[in-house]
This record gives sequence, C-alpha cells and structure tokens, in this order.
Amino acid sequence: GEDVEQSLFLSVREGDSSVINCTYTDSSSTYLYWYKQEPGAGLQLLTYIFSNMDMKQDQRLTVLLNKKDKHLSLRIADTQTGDSAIYFCAESTSGGGNKLTFGTGTQLKVEL
Amino acid sequence: ETGVTQSPTHLIKTRGQQVTLRCSSQSGHNTVSWYQQALGQGPQFIFQYYREEENGRGNFPPRFSGLQFPNYSSELNVNALELDDSALYLCASSVPGQYFSTDTQYFGPGTRLTVL
Repeated sequence: GEDVEQSLFLSVREGDSSVINCTYTDSSSTYLYWYKQEPGAGLQLLTYIFSNMDMKQDQRLTVLLNKKDKHLSLRIADTQTGDSAIYFCAESTSGGGNKLTFGTGTQLKVEL
Repeated sequence: ETGVTQSPTHLIKTRGQQVTLRCSSQSGHNTVSWYQQALGQGPQFIFQYYREEENGRGNFPPRFSGLQFPNYSSELNVNALELDDSALYLCASSVPGQYFSTDTQYFGPGTRLTVL
C-alpha cells in the first residue's frame, strides 16, 4: 500500500539549516517531490528527485533519498523567515496517471 | 505563479446540495488532477483527466465527478454534499511525460468549500 509520513512540526532559528524528513512505503515510487504551502495558498513545487538518484541540490535546497530505507529528506540551508510554511513530501508511481500521494505535512516555523 | 486558476475562491453550501468547482489550466496542459485537502491534512487524490477522459481515480465515491474541456478548463462536481466534504479543493495541471511519471504538476490556489 501507499503511505507517506512526516513529522508534524519543526522550529529553527533564522540562519540555521532545516531538515524535514519523510518516509514512504511504496517501493515502486518513481518520483518523490517536495511542495511548500503558505497559509491560504495552493502548493508550490520546490524540487523533486528521481528514485534512482540519492541526492539532488538546488540552490539552498538539498534532497537526500535513501531508497533502501524509503526515507526522503529536505535540507534548507540558511533558513529565512520567508521559509515558514507547511512542507509536503509526495510520491508518484508510473502507470495509470500521475497520482501523487502526499504526507500530512511538516509545519516549519522560523524564529528570529 | 503557476498559471493555474480556480473559481470560486470560497464557497458555502448546505448538506445535500450540489456544487461545481472550476479550474483553468495552462495552455497545452492536457492533464488535470483534482485533490481534496481537509484541514490539517495532506491533499488526497480524487481523480485525473487526460484528454477529456478519466485516467485514474482515488478512493472517492461516485458522487464526485469531473469534466475536462478542450480549452484546458475542467470541473469538479460533488453531489449530495456531506459535512465531511468541507475542505480545500486543489486542481493541478501538467503535461504527461513517458508513462505519466515524469510530469510536473502545477497547482492552483484552491477553492475552500464549507458544508453546513
């Protein structure tokens, strides 16, 4: 079956690094995504990683994938107050349309 | 700015009523997916349309139905509304890659539906 889990809350100080973790159960996942949702807004795609990769870096964002343990993480370097939001990881599988299965979201709070 | 728009922004209905939510995708995006996001939860996949045909459905009853039109707009219809249907409804559009697994989904801002 498909299940994606995330911790609910993370608090960091401005300038520190944030690490948001996610575990998934579907071994047939082909792509894994990180989305950001600000209050009252839709989902903004931050980055994604193909399942045969173990790391992807995009400016302040680093995604690490441990396929053996089905563990995904998002590291945000030099976290800013504008990074405060809810972060969702999501997995997709091939075939039958690109259905995304989302985690419950991690609320990141950045304090001064 | 994803180029995906949804209307209305907010909507209040009563139990038993029917509702139609609308989504306008980016030009050329022939796949649209709808998600339901209950308060404090992650989005749940409702269904996807590709070239005006349903192409995958999540665990939602038949009273949730959809339409996709040639002009890249789409609708989500919900009949016999229940209190638990209160949620943020998101549409996402994309251009499918090979085997539908490489496309990036661009989300609209959502419609907040409240059922009283």
